[in-house]
Amino acid sequence: DVKVTQSSRYLVKRTGEKVFLECVQDMDHENMFWYRQDPGLGLRLIYFSYDVKMKEKGDIPEGYSVSREKKERFSLILESASTNQTSMYLCASSSGQGSGELFFGEGSRLTVL
Amino acid sequence: DQQVKQNSPSLSVQEGRISILNCDYTNSMFDYFLWYKKYPAEGPTFLISISSIKDKNEDGRFTVFLNKSAKHLSLHIVPSQPGDSAVYFCAASDLATDKLIFGTGTRLQVFP
Repeated sequence: DVKVTQSSRYLVKRTGEKVFLECVQDMDHENMFWYRQDPGLGLRLIYFSYDVKMKEKGDIPEGYSVSREKKERFSLILESASTNQTSMYLCASSSGQGSGELFFGEGSRLTVL
Repeated sequence: DQQVKQNSPSLSVQEGRISILNCDYTNSMFDYFLWYKKYPAEGPTFLISISSIKDKNEDGRFTVFLNKSAKHLSLHIVPSQPGDSAVYFCAASDLATDKLIFGTGTRLQVFP
């Protein structure tokens, strides 16, 4: 069974803290993505990666960075968390073939106080 | 500029009846359109897709219709079941960039 695993389901952090969200996929997919989901705004793309060491900005990259040192792992980093980064964060991967279907992890609910 | 729009934030349907969820898009270069279903505290799961060269795709109780001239697609669920209650996201795929662009979602509630 294919799987995208996000390391933390729920996190509570304080303003200014550095936050790491980890994501691992076991499908040998080339592409990996980080989205955030907010009520009324849908899923918005933060960053994505087509290959190891590669990264591309999505629609809302400000305040975030990413790291992809290995093909199966894609990390999202909040250098200095702020309250407006309280959100549900979703990692996804795709093979880049067919319909472009994404496989999502279960999400990480981050609350910044 | 929102390229994929779901103008109805919520929909309530009685069990056994048809649910119709709508989606509009602006970019005629999209290659595929996909529907995802999302329960609270879970990641979205793929439901059904349609290629831009087709106008209908059916999978069990789920059918997606594509009207390219109107840049409109819809998801039909027949018959609706209480377990279908979730948020449904429409997404469009640009295979040149390997990105999915999502709509804002429609919350479907199916009541007995």
